[in-house]
Amino acid sequence: AQSVAQPEDQVNVAEGNPLTVKCTYSVSGNPYLFWYVQYPNRGLQFLLKYITGDNLVKGSYGFEAEFNKSQTSFHLKKPSALVSDSALYFCAVRDPNYGGSQGNLIFGKGTKLSVKP
Amino acid sequence: DTGVSQNPRHKITKRGQNVTFRCDPISEHNRLYWYRQTLGQGPEFLTYFQNEAQLEKSRLLSDRFSAERPKGSFSTLEIQRTEQGDSAMYLCASSDPGLAGGSADTQYFGPGTRLTVL
Repeated sequence: AQSVAQPEDQVNVAEGNPLTVKCTYSVSGNPYLFWYVQYPNRGLQFLLKYITGDNLVKGSYGFEAEFNKSQTSFHLKKPSALVSDSALYFCAVRDPNYGGSQGNLIFGKGTKLSVKP
Repeated sequence: DTGVSQNPRHKITKRGQNVTFRCDPISEHNRLYWYRQTLGQGPEFLTYFQNEAQLEKSRLLSDRFSAERPKGSFSTLEIQRTEQGDSAMYLCASSDPGLAGGSADTQYFGPGTRLTVL
């Protein structure tokens, strides 16, 4: 079965410090991986995705993520955190070979990022 | 604004009533998705359309739920005989798979409709 785990409910970081939000996945085949951010009372905003190719993916707002197949991880990173990065972050996976599914994104439970000045 | 729009943004209803939500996708996106998000959880997939065809439904979509996309543009999600357990944020997303098709396309989400069932 497909699944996504975000092992940390909350991550606290000081402004200017690097941040990492962790994500691990379980799929039967080669995964498509996504990160989204959600601000209060807002929908999800797309940050970045990994489909194939270079394991380091760069996305919006200075975020990047590294796909590690051996560790089945796709951690979100940013070299220098901003207070405005404080939000809820969701990792999601899609297995293109799972039962022919074309629509089913599986989301983690989310990680609340808090960046303090 | 050319993003995904959803109406209403908030809906409060009494148990047993029917409710209907509308989603307008990004123009020319032929794929449309519905998700449900409860407090403290990530979104859970409900159903998916390609143009007007409903191609996939989650087991979460009980008989009380129905979704339509009659002309391949906007979509509606109806919940009949609402229950308190239906209280959640209902999210709509759309995507454009391009000429290649497949499932690598990015889903863009609307602001959601928050349903409260009293």
